[in-house]
Amino acid sequence: QVQLVESGGGVVQPGRSLRLSCAASGFTFSGDAMHWVRQAPGKGLEWVAGVSYDGTNKYYVDSVKGRFTISRDNSKNTVYLQMNSLRPDDTAVYYCARDPIWGSSGTPYYFDYWGQGTLVTVSS
Amino acid sequence: DIVMTQSPDSLAVSLGERATINCKSSQSVLSSSNNQKYLAWYQQKPGQPPKLLIYWASTREFGVPDRFSGSGSGTDFTLTISSLQAEDVAVYYCQQYYSAPPTFGQGTKLEIK
Repeated sequence: QVQLVESGGGVVQPGRSLRLSCAASGFTFSGDAMHWVRQAPGKGLEWVAGVSYDGTNKYYVDSVKGRFTISRDNSKNTVYLQMNSLRPDDTAVYYCARDPIWGSSGTPYYFDYWGQGTLVTVSS
Repeated sequence: DIVMTQSPDSLAVSLGERATINCKSSQSVLSSSNNQKYLAWYQQKPGQPPKLLIYWASTREFGVPDRFSGSGSGTDFTLTISSLQAEDVAVYYCQQYYSAPPTFGQGTKLEIK
């Protein structure tokens, strides 16, 4: 069965960095696009970043452009989110999610499998 | 960016009754090239990640009970639960994937009356 397991969350001071990882299993990882979606405490869902199956296409929400970088290692079945210059409003549970449709062109689609999430708290 | 607006923000429905959640997009999410509506619905229970219910506005994900259905036009969409069960208590989100960035509605909290 499909499993997505996030790790790397924690408490970090404003301006510092953190790298999240999402280990995937139960499907052909190299064939599917992957995304990060976040949810601030008590708030709704916000898509953050996505990477196509082969890593050639990446998209970001405007609020993280230039600060966050999504990447993937298909040999390790893992997707990453490098988060730099963190701000208090980046505090959220970060979910990784699979996109079963997005190819190497076009834009992201919907998300059929989600991990349990990892909490990132940005606070001094 | 396409703005998704759900209504109502919260909803209380009696067990066995129909629940209807609305979602409006700031621009059409209907593709003229393939006649598909780029709209998905998710269910999120407390302490859990979201679960995909419906995609392409009306296609149920595998394993989703048939009491859940989706409908709509280019900008106005509806998620209907035909006969509310206790396990349907959750927050429901719509999401457009017509253009990047993908965007979600603010969520509708569904409770039992």
